[in-house]
Amino acid sequence: EIVLTQSPATLSLSPGERATLSCGASQSVSSSYLAWYQQKPGLAPRLLMYAASSRATGIPDRFSGSGSGTDFTLTINRLEPEDFAVYYCQQYGTSPLTFGQGTKVEIK
Amino acid sequence: EVQLVESGGGLVQPGGPLRLSCAASGFTFSYSSIYWVRQAPGKGLEVVSGISGNGDNTYYANSVRGRFTISRDNSKNTLYLQMSSLGPEDMAVYYCARRAASSFYFDYWGQGTLVTVSS
Repeated sequence: EIVLTQSPATLSLSPGERATLSCGASQSVSSSYLAWYQQKPGLAPRLLMYAASSRATGIPDRFSGSGSGTDFTLTINRLEPEDFAVYYCQQYGTSPLTFGQGTKVEIK
Repeated sequence: EVQLVESGGGLVQPGGPLRLSCAASGFTFSYSSIYWVRQAPGKGLEVVSGISGNGDNTYYANSVRGRFTISRDNSKNTLYLQMSSLGPEDMAVYYCARRAASSFYFDYWGQGTLVTVSS
C-alpha cells in the first residue's frame, strides 16, 4: 500500500498569500496518478486536480499542481477567503487507492 | 447536473447491520463505477468499496471485506452498501463518489450519511 504523507499538517496564512502544500509518497506514484481534493467543514470533498497538474472543471487558475514520482505539490496563489479548508492528496496509480491525512489551511 | 444523494445512515448497535443507499442522477449511471469512501470523525478519507458500472467487478478494503457487500440497481440508478457486524471502527460519514471515466480519482461526491455505532 502506498502511504501518502502530507505536510505541513496545518498552514496558517493570510488572504492574498501563497500556500504550498506537499504530498510525499512511500513509493513512486505511477504515471503521476495523483489527485488533490478540497474539503470544507461539513461538506464532501471537491476534486481540484488530477494527473498531478490538471485542474478539474471549474477550478480557478490560482490552483496549480506539480510533481512526479514520490513528491507532489499543490500551490494556491493569492489565497481567497473561500480557500481556507482541508486539502487531501490521493494516489490512484496502485491499488488500494489511498489518501493523505490532509493539510489544513487556516486563516492566520 | 450530476447528483449523488446518500441515505440510510443512523444509529446502530455494535454487531448490527445497516444498509446505505446512494441515488444518482444527471449522468448515465450504468456507465460509471461508483465507490463508497468513509471519513471517521476528525479523520481522513478511506476507500471502503467500489463497483463497476455493470456490477461485474467489485472492490473491498481489507478492513470491511467479508462484512460489507456493495451492489447496484441500474434500473433505479441506485447504489447500495450492505454493512454487517458493525463495530466502533466503522463509525464514520459514508460518501458515495463517482470514479472518473478511465481513471481512479473521484470527480463527484455525495453529501454523505453518518453511521454511528453505539449501544
